[in-house]
Amino acid sequence: DVKVTQSSRYLVKRTGEKVFLECVQDMDHENMFWYRQDPGLGLRLIYFSYDVKMKEKGDIPEGYSVSREKKERFSLILESASTNQTSMYLCASSLSSGVHEQYFGPGTRLTVT
Amino acid sequence: GNSVTQMEGPVTLSEEAFLTINCTYTATGYPSLFWYVQYPGEGLQLLLKATKADDKGSNKGFEATYRKETTSFHLEKGSVQVSDSAVYFCALYTGTASKLTFGTGTRLQVTL
Repeated sequence: DVKVTQSSRYLVKRTGEKVFLECVQDMDHENMFWYRQDPGLGLRLIYFSYDVKMKEKGDIPEGYSVSREKKERFSLILESASTNQTSMYLCASSLSSGVHEQYFGPGTRLTVT
Repeated sequence: GNSVTQMEGPVTLSEEAFLTINCTYTATGYPSLFWYVQYPGEGLQLLLKATKADDKGSNKGFEATYRKETTSFHLEKGSVQVSDSAVYFCALYTGTASKLTFGTGTRLQVTL
């Protein structure tokens, strides 16, 4: 079974702190994704990566950056956390070709105070 | 652009009731359609999918039929259980860089 793990289930940070959220998948998937999930807004794509060191902006990239140095690992970085970044963050991965499902991690609930 | 519209929740049903969660979409081309489910405290997981018009996806007693003429992919189940309580997301895929477009989700609460 595909497994996508995220470094923390719950995280509390202060405004202005640099925050790292890490995601690891074990199925050699080419694509990896970061979403945020907010009530009434569903899932919104922040960034995705289709290969090592490659990244593309999603729908809401402002205030975020990403890093993919190894195929299995995709990090989301909040350079200076703000209260409006309090949210649930979900990582996903998928194969690159054809219509493939995305496999999701359990999520990280981030609170910025 | 692409978009997915789902009925607003929460949907509250008694056990063994019939479930319908509506989903309509707007897309260029011929998208593939998905239903994902998110159980409490977990990430999303694929429930079912359909890749072309008139296809029916099914899994765990849930079904959805890809209707191109009405641009819909409504989720149905004949008899819900308490364990079906979750948030259900409709999504579409148009082949652009494996990106999915999600609806806002519909929370289902099933009571005894």
